[in-house]
Amino acid sequence: GENVEQHPSTLSVQEGDSAVIKCTYSDSASNYFPWYKQELGKRPQLIIDIRSNVGEKKDQRIAVTLNKTAKHFSLHITETQPEDSAVYFCAATLNTNAGKSTFGDGTTLTVKP
Amino acid sequence: NAGVTQTPKFQVLKTGQSMTLQCAQDMNHEYMSWYRQDPGMGLRLIHYSVGAGITDQGEVPNGYNVSRSTTEDFPLRLLSAAPSQTSVYFCASSSRYTIYFGEGSWLTVV
Repeated sequence: GENVEQHPSTLSVQEGDSAVIKCTYSDSASNYFPWYKQELGKRPQLIIDIRSNVGEKKDQRIAVTLNKTAKHFSLHITETQPEDSAVYFCAATLNTNAGKSTFGDGTTLTVKP
Repeated sequence: NAGVTQTPKFQVLKTGQSMTLQCAQDMNHEYMSWYRQDPGMGLRLIHYSVGAGITDQGEVPNGYNVSRSTTEDFPLRLLSAAPSQTSVYFCASSSRYTIYFGEGSWLTVV
């Protein structure tokens, strides 16, 4: 089955700096790659996603890049703010349904004011 | 619009007890799933269902049973709780590209 590795497990940045989280996946058939943000005690929520026919996608301060050849994708957060502090999960999904995603182990991002 | 509703939010069980986590969705999604989340780990798929009457095992199915008698409901049963099942459980309903999670159920087995 699919295996997703996520790095780093923890990341601390100063407010205003950029943060980058990287994930690799093993199954070349995976074609949908969402990112979730989970605040303490809350449910994970989708923040951005990318499909395999796209190399990059941006939404305000958040961007995701995908390299299908190398089987890795990354989340980029620019101009970080304290409210960006959370756990971020990447996931990889085959062309079936998002509900059968394989998740990375998560990255705890701390933004210091 | 309720989305995905799961109950209870908190539960303490004794080893060997059984219980059912309830999950309901009002988005008419065919696909529903249960995940567990342990500290330092991502969400791991327990069981999923692609429609009423159809269920299948995910990555960590042992110790759990599910059924799907209606499109709306997807309960998760722990037959004989073990301390290793202490975790946070998320029910989810999904379209092809979006997962909608419930608020989570914090389960402690002592």
